[in-house]
Amino acid sequence: SAVISQKPSRDICQRGTSLTIQCQVDSQVTMMFWYRQQPGQSLTLIATANQGSEATYESGFVIDKFPISRPNLTFSTLTVSNMSPEDSSIYLCSGRQEPTGELFFGEGSRLTVL
Amino acid sequence: SQELEQSPQSLIVQEGKNLTINCTSSKTLYGLYWYKQKYGEGLIFLMMLQKGGEEKSHEKITAKLDEKKQQSSLHITASQPSHAGIYLCGADYTGNQFYFGTGTSLTVIP
Repeated sequence: SAVISQKPSRDICQRGTSLTIQCQVDSQVTMMFWYRQQPGQSLTLIATANQGSEATYESGFVIDKFPISRPNLTFSTLTVSNMSPEDSSIYLCSGRQEPTGELFFGEGSRLTVL
Repeated sequence: SQELEQSPQSLIVQEGKNLTINCTSSKTLYGLYWYKQKYGEGLIFLMMLQKGGEEKSHEKITAKLDEKKQQSSLHITASQPSHAGIYLCGADYTGNQFYFGTGTSLTVIP
């Protein structure tokens, strides 16, 4: 399946700052998704990012807090803005492989906010 | 998503034993995915099921999707320590949104 390179793999940030996470896919994918995984929990969908359109956010997530870019079919970024300790989590990007439909993931970005 | 429930939440089994993890959806699924996650690591794709009644196997892991496409089970035969980790089911309801269950933590005691 396709491979996603995600970075940074981990970071420690100060409260009130912003961090941008990047995902580069080694092939073109129409649909990409951003998830958050809080300690000891499952994955929560933040938003769906399709190239050429604005991201679609799930309930509880807003564009001002988690702006997403999807400039082309192989790249996407998620910014965590004005961070607080509650944003400490693993953030994962994923893409949908066609035609199999398999959802493949980046390795995740472990974010700690002090 | 609250619409996708996994059970049990955690499982501790002796090496060599069989086990089953269940995933139940409150809505009909377009597709159902199973993933494994080692603690602190990324997700490993196991299987994807799309047809009612479908069953797939890979090595000692078998996954089934019921006819109504609302329930799936993951069965591991003769478990090994390498099977330990968190198992996640993922639901595709519309073809363009993917939600995950609550997860099942599996410990295999040698």
